Amino acid sequence: NAGVTQTPKFRILKIGQSMTLQCTQDMNHNYMYWYRQDPGMGLKLIYYSVGAGITDKGEVPNGYNVSRSTTEDFPLRLELAAPSQTSVYFCASSRQSSGNTIYFGEGSWLTVV
Amino acid sequence: AQSVAQPEDQVNVAEGNPLTVKCTYSVSGNPYLFWYVQYPNRGLQFLLKYITGDNLVKGSYGFEAEFNKSQTSFHLKKPSALVSDSALYFCAVRDGTNKLIFGTGTLLAVQP
Repeated sequence: NAGVTQTPKFRILKIGQSMTLQCTQDMNHNYMYWYRQDPGMGLKLIYYSVGAGITDKGEVPNGYNVSRSTTEDFPLRLELAAPSQTSVYFCASSRQSSGNTIYFGEGSWLTVV
Repeated sequence: AQSVAQPEDQVNVAEGNPLTVKCTYSVSGNPYLFWYVQYPNRGLQFLLKYITGDNLVKGSYGFEAEFNKSQTSFHLKKPSALVSDSALYFCAVRDGTNKLIFGTGTLLAVQP
């Protein structure tokens, strides 16, 4: 029962570097999401996808890019990392309808120094 | 716009006492409401959800939540708290585009 798998778990980046957070799910879910979590702020939606080849911006998309070439994978790319991107990132997935539960990965802790 | 409010940053309760974590919501149309729990350095785990039907929803680990349409609330409850229940709890509402909108979270601290 893998569910939603994220890698890496922890990463330290220097300002200006780029990296990709990987996310894969084995539940054949149409919908996938990337959230970031900052202390006292809850979770904010960065990008989401309703199916392969379709992505859309969430609440805080600046500084990030995504792609969805397959149903299973939804990588998040950070270009030109900034200290403001220090956060915990969560990937999630769900089936299509609003009543379905969204399932989360274990998180990726990113520090930009 | 859909929104969720968790008015308490922290709730303290003694082990064995009942606990309540509050959540109010604002949605247009029918609300789809969720509670998640997050243990330190872990992802979010689904506890329970309200879609339709009975206003009292039962979930994992002995938790339940009461949907109150007139008060637009969805409070999380447990009859007898355990120290192991100490964690961060998030209320969320799913909007018409299937995105999950989260509250800011409530830290539950259960003292032995």
